[in-house]
Parts: sequence; C-alpha cells; structure tokens
Amino acid sequence: QTVVTQEPSLTVSPGGTVTLTCASSTGAVTSGYYANWFQQKPGQAPRALIYSTSNKHSWTPARFSGSLLGGKAALTLSGVQPEDEADYYCLLYYSNAWVFGGGTKLTVL
Amino acid sequence: QVQLQESGPGLVKPSETLSLTCTVSGGPITGYYWSWIRQPPGKGLEWLGYIYYSGSTNYSPYLKSRVSISVDMSRDQFSLRLTSVTAADTAVYYCARYDVDYYRFDYWGQGSLVTVSS
Repeated sequence: QTVVTQEPSLTVSPGGTVTLTCASSTGAVTSGYYANWFQQKPGQAPRALIYSTSNKHSWTPARFSGSLLGGKAALTLSGVQPEDEADYYCLLYYSNAWVFGGGTKLTVL
Repeated sequence: QVQLQESGPGLVKPSETLSLTCTVSGGPITGYYWSWIRQPPGKGLEWLGYIYYSGSTNYSPYLKSRVSISVDMSRDQFSLRLTSVTAADTAVYYCARYDVDYYRFDYWGQGSLVTVSS
C-alpha cells in the first residue's frame, strides 16, 4: 500500500516562514506526481491552494508557494498570518490514482 | 462560480449501500472529471475515485470492489455508490471537480456526513 507522509504538526510564529513536506513511500517525489496542496479549517471543506507542484489557483494568497525539496513536495508559507492556522493536506498522483497525505496541523503561536 | 452540492441519506445501515449525489452548477459538467473524497471524523482525507463526463472511471485500488461512480449529464449530476458499508465508512463525503488538463482538484462541495449505524 502506497503511503504519503506529512509532518503531523508544526508551529510557527506570526510573520514567520514555515515549510511543510510531503514524502512518498515509493521514493523521491518528482514533478510527475503533480502534487496538490489543500488547506482545511475546522468545520469547513478543504480549499485548494497549489496544483502540479508549484502552480497557484487564482484565489491562492501570494504567501503560499509550492516546490520540490530534497525528494519531497513542499509547501512554504512566508509571512504567516493568524488565519493560516489550519490542517494542510498534500495529494500525489500514482498512475490514475491519487493518494492523500495524513495532513499537517499548523499552529500559529 | 462553479458550485457543487452533495445530497443523500445521512444514515445508512451496516451491510447496505451508501448512495450520494453531487449537483454541479455555475459551470459545465463536460470536459472535466468529477471526484468523490471522504474524511472520517477527526481523520484525514481519502480519494475514492472519479468519473469523466463521458463515463470513464478510475477508482481507488483500496475500495475498487465496493465503489462505483456514475454521471447524469442531463441533470448536471454525478453519483457515488458504496456497497456493503460498515462503521468504518462513516465519514464526511465531499465531491470535487478534477481538471485533468492541469492535474488539479479545484472546486469542492461543502460535504455530507454519512453515518453507518443500525
């Protein structure tokens, strides 16, 4: 069974920078995994942030960016705002099937 | 603005079939894949599968034997059926649009909680 691994939790100070990562049990994550990133706040549906590794949706704030880092997909938040406190999920593509990571709970403190 | 809305029973008995429908508005159903994703209470997201507007499907290998997705273009709807449900299938079920040209899931429904219990 393919497993996608994210940090369970991270804490960042307001105005700071934090990087969340997404690893695959099959090996290094490349552009061919078309990583998507989603933000989910309590009681809400997930909201799409990043697609195909590094592309932003029209509604994605500029402080969010996606990349590949050390064999993983990465989501970087620069100039973190209190409203960025949420769960973040990555999603990777495996030959016509998609697998979510377990999610990262980001605390802004 | 594309909007998706899930509908269906909130309670299903064990061993029975879960059925949900997603209605698409504000944009065409043609040209896109339409997906189902679920989230058990307090847990993470799980991709279940998707269907192209023309009817071709892809399902999660972990649920393939129990899940089916269909589309009704005349009503701008697509549907999920999950057979032989157990308590482990209790979850919020989301529908979402998948744009294959960009490998992106963009628009999501608000979600529908389905509880499996006798």
